[in-house]
Formats: sequence, structure tokens, C-alpha cells
Amino acid sequence: DTGVSQDPRHKITKRGQNVTFRCDPISEHNRLYWYRQTLGQGPEFLTYFQNEAQLEKSRLLSDRFSAERPKGSFSTLEIQRTEQGDSAMYLCASIRGLNTEAFFGQGTRLTVV
Amino acid sequence: DQQVKQNSPSLSVQEGRISILNCDYTNSMFDYFLWYKKYPAEGPTFLISISSIKDKNEDGRFTVFLNKSAKHLSLHIVPSQPGDSAVYFCAASGTTSGTYKYIFGTGTRLKVLA
Repeated sequence: DTGVSQDPRHKITKRGQNVTFRCDPISEHNRLYWYRQTLGQGPEFLTYFQNEAQLEKSRLLSDRFSAERPKGSFSTLEIQRTEQGDSAMYLCASIRGLNTEAFFGQGTRLTVV
Repeated sequence: DQQVKQNSPSLSVQEGRISILNCDYTNSMFDYFLWYKKYPAEGPTFLISISSIKDKNEDGRFTVFLNKSAKHLSLHIVPSQPGDSAVYFCAASGTTSGTYKYIFGTGTRLKVLA
């Protein structure tokens, strides 16, 4: 059990550029979540997958955001035309089953300049 | 619409004493509750959880209490240690209603003084 892995840990990008983050969940965890956290706030739900199916998306997830989980394994979160308001910590979590804890990765810190 | 609320942004406790962190929720469909601990620049780490069929769950120094009628849960840490200093988040989900996402509060920063 190597835990949830996120890459990169840090990303600095210029406004208007596209960025992509990757999350490798714990193997055999069928559900994968993306959250965003800004200073002084708790993690805010963005979207989640059950296997390869994206089952729910938050209203926070504008059309500039897209997430995929091909083959139900790793997941990617892409932000197009980044804005300064996108600066945040992006967290990935995976879960096996129901009514159990989510395991979080260490996050990707995005800074849009 | 903040469905999970932690009204105390910070708490300071002397080492060895009890820390009590509180959390309120508004959605009566929530049936599973969790507490997470977070250090700066790291992801949240799971601490303890409780199902709505229970009113107490204990794991070592950590105990979570659930009062469904008041829609309130609390985390007790006894005895508090300096290493417990971190931000604590409560979270809730409602699997029986098909809400599989975990909704988090805004966190309480705990400082344990040596």
C-alpha cells in the first residue's frame, strides 16, 4: 500500500496557460475524489469517479475544468486558461467501499501568476 | 450553503489537558462522519469516524461523540500532546441518500502548549 500519489507537488503557471495534474489512487480503491482547498477553508468537493465513471461534478467545476479516470486507475484534472482565482491546493482522495475513510494524497499546490 | 460548520477557528490547550473540537451539520441525511488532521503543505490524514447508528467511538486518545438530535459532533483528545497541534476538519457524507461526496467544515486550528 503505497498511498495516494499526486504529481506535481507544486506548479507555478502564467495566467491563461493550461495545467494538468495527476493522481494515482491506492490500488483497488474504486472511488476517486478531487477537492480544492484555499487558505482558511476546508477542502471543497470538485468531482468524483466510481471506477471510470464520473458520477458527480460540483458547480465549482467550471467548463475550464475537466477530469478523467481512464480504465478506472489514475486520474487527471486539467484546468484550461488558468486564472488567478484558480490558485489553490488541489487534493485527490481514494476510497474503497462505503462508509469508510478517504485517503488523501499530499496535494498539488497551484500558483497562477 | 455551509452544510458542515466548525465555528471555532482556533483553540489553545495546555499539554496533558483535554482538547474538545466541535462541529455542527445541517443536513439530516448525513449518516457517516469523520475527523481529519492536517499539517501545512500536506494532505488531510484520517483520525476517526462514526456512523449515525452510534453515539460514541473511541480510538486511543481520540473519542468522537455524535448527537443526532442536535446535529452536532465533537472530537475529544485526551491527553493533548504538542504533536497534536494541527488543523482539524470534520466531514460528513450521506451514503444512504446516495451522497457519496464528503463535505468538510472550515477547520479548527489546535495549538497544544508545552
